[in-house]
Amino acid sequence: NAGVTQTPKFQVLKTGQSMTLQCAQDMNHNSMYWYRQDPGMGLRLIYYSASEGTTDKGEVPNGYNVSRLNKREFSLRLESAAPSQTSVYFCASSSEGQVQPQHFGDGTRLSIL
Amino acid sequence: RKEVEQDPGPFNVPEGATVAFNCTYSNSASQSFFWYRQDCRKEPKLLMSVYSSGNEDGRFTAQLNRASQYISLLIRDSKLSDSATYLCVVNKGTGRRALTFGSGTRLQVQP
Repeated sequence: NAGVTQTPKFQVLKTGQSMTLQCAQDMNHNSMYWYRQDPGMGLRLIYYSASEGTTDKGEVPNGYNVSRLNKREFSLRLESAAPSQTSVYFCASSSEGQVQPQHFGDGTRLSIL
Repeated sequence: RKEVEQDPGPFNVPEGATVAFNCTYSNSASQSFFWYRQDCRKEPKLLMSVYSSGNEDGRFTAQLNRASQYISLLIRDSKLSDSATYLCVVNKGTGRRALTFGSGTRLQVQP
């Protein structure tokens, strides 16, 4: 029953530090996504991967990098964290032919001081 | 103007009530529409897609009005467990990843 697994669930960083958020799905989905959610705003797409080996920028990619390591795993990296990146980050996946993300991970609550 | 607009609520209704939420979208080229549900401090979950002819899933009915560019969600016989934030999601009509999420409407069902 794992679905989409994100780690860590919580993290506090200092400005300028780097870190990688991990995401793995066990549903054999082709597409994976990274979103951020801020108070009073809808989820915003950071990066997207349609299939293993491909990644595309979303609405708010600046300050982030991603790696689609294999079909299961899609990681998000903050190279030099900034306070504006304080947010809740969600990874999601969907199967072939689906426009919408079908399954989300539990989220990572990230605070940048 | 936001691409997807929702009344943030909260909508406070008694158990058993019928409640409706509307969502308006600005891009007339949008082709795909969805409702998601998000519980407090949890991940969003896909509730239902919205089809042109309208569709129903148990107590939930979704409607689409392309001419007026709005989508609605009707919940009948509200349960305490329906308390959540409901997110309206619209695609931009230009690709699979191009979705816009509304900021959500909060529903609180009271005993």
